[in-house]
Amino acid sequence: DTGVSQDPRHKITKRGQNVTFRCDPISEHNRLYWYRQTLGQGPEFLTYFQNEAQLEKSRLLSDRFSAERPKGSFSTLEIQRTEQGDSAMYLCASSPGLGGYTFGSGTRLTVV
Amino acid sequence: GNSVTQMEGPVTLSEEAFLTINCTYTATGYPSLFWYVQYPGEGLQLLLKATKADDKGSNKGFEATYRKETTSFHLEKGSVQVSDSAVYFCALSNGSGNTGKLIFGQGTTLQVKP
Repeated sequence: DTGVSQDPRHKITKRGQNVTFRCDPISEHNRLYWYRQTLGQGPEFLTYFQNEAQLEKSRLLSDRFSAERPKGSFSTLEIQRTEQGDSAMYLCASSPGLGGYTFGSGTRLTVV
Repeated sequence: GNSVTQMEGPVTLSEEAFLTINCTYTATGYPSLFWYVQYPGEGLQLLLKATKADDKGSNKGFEATYRKETTSFHLEKGSVQVSDSAVYFCALSNGSGNTGKLIFGQGTTLQVKP
């Protein structure tokens, strides 16, 4: 069990570019979550997968954001046409059921 | 809607001092309550949890009691160490139609000085 892995750890991109982040959950965990954390704030829920099905999306997830979890394994979060307001830490977490999350270390996105 | 409010930080204490970080919540139904800790440069880790009223969660000397009557889940530790310096987040997960989604407070930074 290597925990939840996120890649890359840091990403600097120019405004208007597309970026994609990857999350590898703990292998036996069927639930996967994405959160966004801005400086000085707590994480905010973005979206949730149970296996390969995306079951809930926050209103924070505008149409520039898309997330996938093919085959119920790893997940990707893509942001199209990035804006400076997208700068944040993007956190992934996985869980075998209710509660008991394991978080990854996050991907820090800076849009310049 | 559901929300969590924590006391503002930073909280600065000397080693071996008593710690309280206040957390209150607003929720429909019967949420589960959590404390997460984030050490510098690391991801969030579950510190403790309580799933029903009057439950006490405890771990590593930290405790919190689920108080439904005051809608609170204050974090306490009798004697803090320098290694406890971190950001602490209170969170809830609402039980109805539960996706396991967490709602976090804004976090409280704890600095413990030797």
